[in-house]
Amino acid sequence: GDKVKQSPSALSLQEGTNSALRCNFSIAATTVQWFLQNPRGSLINLFYLVPGTKENGRLKSAFDSKESYSTLHIRDAQLEDSGTYFCAAETTGGNNKLTFGQGTVLSVIP
Amino acid sequence: AQTIHQWPVAEIKAVGSPLSLGCTIKGKSSPNLYWYWQATGGTLQQLFYSITVGQVESVVQLNLSASRPKDDQFILSTEKLLLSHSGFYLCAWSDITEVFFGKGTRLTVV
Repeated sequence: GDKVKQSPSALSLQEGTNSALRCNFSIAATTVQWFLQNPRGSLINLFYLVPGTKENGRLKSAFDSKESYSTLHIRDAQLEDSGTYFCAAETTGGNNKLTFGQGTVLSVIP
Repeated sequence: AQTIHQWPVAEIKAVGSPLSLGCTIKGKSSPNLYWYWQATGGTLQQLFYSITVGQVESVVQLNLSASRPKDDQFILSTEKLLLSHSGFYLCAWSDITEVFFGKGTRLTVV
């Protein structure tokens, strides 16, 4: 099965509302990264997490290595937040190999 | 600041033809370098990684090869393209923590 399972697979949000994306890991993740892929395909780094929580503007992310999950909270969604959100886990063993989830396609509507 | 440049931006190639994609990183000495592949609408999968000049490890066999001829350069190539090689190829670098991606090359094999 999927080593990194993202949910939901797609989400439509009214502008100004809040939501949360989630990743569950069936591998022993040591760090997690969250990315936003824009329509052109570029991956924008959102968060790099060791176990714990980080916040940046309207985004907040948490990583719990014991319970094997990570979340990304979006507050006051804006049109420019639209795109595909990926989480990626790194495991011990090195080389920074990232195992990606399948992505959440987010559409923010006016 | 580090910059990562990929070329070409896009390619349309015939089945059976050769391919060479390039990636250059500036502003970072001895980075770890990676090639990732993304099928249309799919997730990202690591293909190769390199921690030093002349040393490349294969992660997934896709009838592709990679080389690192210089500290700041990573090349992805094949002598004979298959239809299944179509997709989005992303080069990435890290300093053993966070991973950063280039803007990618979109490859269409016809």
